[in-house]
Amino acid sequence: KNEVEQSPQNLTAQEGEFITINCSYSVGISALHWLQQHPGGGIVSLFMLSSGKKKHGRLIATINIQEKHSSLHITASHPRDSAVYICAVIPSNSNSGYALNFGKGTSLLVTP
Amino acid sequence: EPEVTQTPSHQVTQMGQEVILRCVPISNHLYFYWYRQILGQKVEFLVSFYNNEISEKSEIFDDQFSVERPDGSNFTLKIRSTKLEDSAMYFCASSWSAGNEQYFGPGTRLTVT
Repeated sequence: KNEVEQSPQNLTAQEGEFITINCSYSVGISALHWLQQHPGGGIVSLFMLSSGKKKHGRLIATINIQEKHSSLHITASHPRDSAVYICAVIPSNSNSGYALNFGKGTSLLVTP
Repeated sequence: EPEVTQTPSHQVTQMGQEVILRCVPISNHLYFYWYRQILGQKVEFLVSFYNNEISEKSEIFDDQFSVERPDGSNFTLKIRSTKLEDSAMYFCASSWSAGNEQYFGPGTRLTVT
């Protein structure tokens, strides 16, 4: 069983819609990352969270440590937001390497 | 803005051959990572590197794999005898401190025939 589960796996939205992507994890963590993978394959870090909420432009990320759950929200979605959004965690028992443990990703398509 | 670079962007090799994938991390970063993504699958951790030694490695990172920081700028991943199942996108990443945001390179697509 994967330690990091994302939902939904695929998401299609119309331009302007509010989007939520969820991430649940089963281990204690020291941090959670949200990443964006473009169709060409490149990976960009969006947020790193260990508590609370962060906002950058139209993107908002929240985390609830007690419930082992995080959400990524996109407000006023745009076709250029189309990408795979990946949740990844650093387990708190990481053997000093701070390696990321990835979810399978949520594939988002925003249509005009 | 500083970025992680990787070369080559695409490498095709025959089974059993050795390959070296190269990465130039961001210059003031101290922690370095290799990840791989088999087509259609999730990204998987291979190895992390700090202070000129491996700090953590996954089960995937067996004796066929090795990493090196041969000079002050390059970080390499060597696969000694490639197998078909090594075909994947290999990503290098770096961060300036432990547990901090990781910056990813554009990846090297390795195709083993």
